Order: sequence, then C-alpha cells, then structure tokens
Amino acid sequence: SQTIHQWPATLVQPVGSPLSLECTVEGTSNPNLYWYRQAAGRGLQLLFYSVGIGQISSEVPQNLSASRPQDRQFILSSKKLLLSDSGFYLCAWNKGAETQYFGPGTRLLVL
Amino acid sequence: GENVEQHPSTLSVQEGDSAVIKCTYSDSASNYFPWYKQELGKRPQLIIDIRSNVGEKKDQRIAVTLNKTAKHFSLHITETQPEDSAVYFCAASLSGGYNKLIFGAGTRLAVHP
Repeated sequence: SQTIHQWPATLVQPVGSPLSLECTVEGTSNPNLYWYRQAAGRGLQLLFYSVGIGQISSEVPQNLSASRPQDRQFILSSKKLLLSDSGFYLCAWNKGAETQYFGPGTRLLVL
Repeated sequence: GENVEQHPSTLSVQEGDSAVIKCTYSDSASNYFPWYKQELGKRPQLIIDIRSNVGEKKDQRIAVTLNKTAKHFSLHITETQPEDSAVYFCAASLSGGYNKLIFGAGTRLAVHP
C-alpha cells in the first residue's frame, strides 16, 4: 500500500530564515504531487503541483518555491520566510485518478 | 477563476440529528467531487466521493448527492455522533488535466451529546 511522509512535523522559524519541507511517497511510482497551505481556521490553498521529476507548476505567486529532485520526493522551499508564511503545509499525491491523499502535514510558525 | 462555495461555515447539531453541508461549483467541466473530513490538527481524510455520472452515493451514515445541472452537491450525515465533529471540506476537479482539485472553505461541524 502507499504511504506519504512529511517532515518535520512542526517548525518554528524566525522571519528571514530559509525553509525546506520534505514530502516523500512510498509504494507507487510517478505520482502526481501537490503542496497545499492551510492558514489557521481556513481552507486549502494549492501552492504547487508536479507531474514528474523536475516538472513544477505554481498556482499562486508567492515567497515559496518547489522542487522534485526524485520521482517520489517533493520539496517546498523559501530563501527568506515572511510572517505570512505561517500555516499548516500539506503534501498530497494521486495517480491515475483524481482522488488525492494527504500527508500528515508540517505546522510552520514564523516569528 | 474557478471556485467552490461551501455552506454553512459552521453547523451545530444534537447527537442523533442529521447534518447537511452544501457546495456549489463553477467549472462546468468538473466531473469528480470528493469530501474530506479534517479533525483538529490532523490531515484531511477522504470520506466519500462521487463522479458526474452518478446522482447519489451512500456509505453507511454518509451520503452525497450531485445535481450537475445546478452545479450543486451536498453531504448528508445521518444519526450524527460526537466523533463526527470535525471540519468538512468539499472539492471539485478542475478541467485542464493534472487531476487538480479546488476546495471549499470548509464547514465546522459540532455534534453535541
């Protein structure tokens, strides 16, 4: 069966510091991968998606970037964090169907 | 751009009552409509989904209905229990490939014993 991992689970970072969040999927190959952000008490905003290695599409202009260096690895990065980057970051995957399955998430607090 | 509107934003019911959450979508090409349940601090979990070639789908106490003409779909929970308390999100598939979904803003359901 397929599993999706994210780390770290929680992160507290100062404004202006860099960021790297990692997502990996096990048990499948060539999945579609997605990064979402969820602000406190809010809905899910799609940030990036990827259909293959090195293929990244951005949904909204922002202070973040994404990369997919390996088939089942998806990384979310920032060079300089802003206060507004705080939130719950969720990675999701699917393959062959629209159903998306979410990872456990990373809770980021920028101070 | 395309969007999904979800109502109500909060819903409070007594244990054993029914709960209904409604969503409206704008992309006429949407053909897949999942519902997710998110407990506090946890990831969203798929609870039921429906495709455009079906008008209704049931799974025990949960049912989803779809009206493609009106671009409405709804989640129905019967005989609610305290463990049904959570935030529920509807979503609709987007045309253009890549299996993208657009989510509603969520409904916070509270079931009181």
